Amino acid sequence: GAGVSQSPSNKVTEKGKDVELRCDPISGHTALYWYRQSLGQGLEFLIYFQGNSAPDKSGLPSDRFSAERTGGSVSTLTIQRTQQEDSAVYLCASSLAVAGSSYEQYFGPGTRLTVT
Amino acid sequence: KNQVEQSPQSLIILEGKNCTLQCNYTVSPFSNLRWYKQDTGRGPVSLTIMTFSENTKSNGRYTATLDADTKQSSLHITASQLSDSASYICVVRGDTGFQKLVFGTGTRLLVSP
Repeated sequence: GAGVSQSPSNKVTEKGKDVELRCDPISGHTALYWYRQSLGQGLEFLIYFQGNSAPDKSGLPSDRFSAERTGGSVSTLTIQRTQQEDSAVYLCASSLAVAGSSYEQYFGPGTRLTVT
Repeated sequence: KNQVEQSPQSLIILEGKNCTLQCNYTVSPFSNLRWYKQDTGRGPVSLTIMTFSENTKSNGRYTATLDADTKQSSLHITASQLSDSASYICVVRGDTGFQKLVFGTGTRLLVSP
């Protein structure tokens, strides 16, 4: 079946502009995660959605970052007033958050964001 | 602070040779540890998962070990191939009730012909 897809694959934007990144999780996966991977750094957790529960936003670095998940499927990550330090690869993952499962996260290919 | 440290940061080996990558963690409590392979321009893909009671697990030419007492894990790659060139990321899940994971910064492996 289809894996996690993300769009766009690459995004170049000017400092101060807003950007939207999209994630299509694997069908049937109830959990969805956003991560940021900066050059030379490990993946940094941003936000986690699980079913209809309130999302865990504890990883969002500032109020310029927000995310939503509509209909329990597609998610968009929005960065307002982008800064150069926002340049990174943004990875989305989904998993079957079912009791007894291995909770493996399946990752998308990422969106490479460059803020000039 | 929950941390995962990997070594070496990068490694170059000749095709056909073996190598071992290291992962030390301070995540507590501990639930499981995964090794991921991340090819350039792609998302990470899980290679192995190990729980507290498991000492070793193999997936083809990849063998992972876990010492929960010393909080160390290793990933051994046997008879390396050019396609093994990638970043290998150690990821530890703590028993927090959420699905958040602690990621290492990875080891970048280059297998040269």
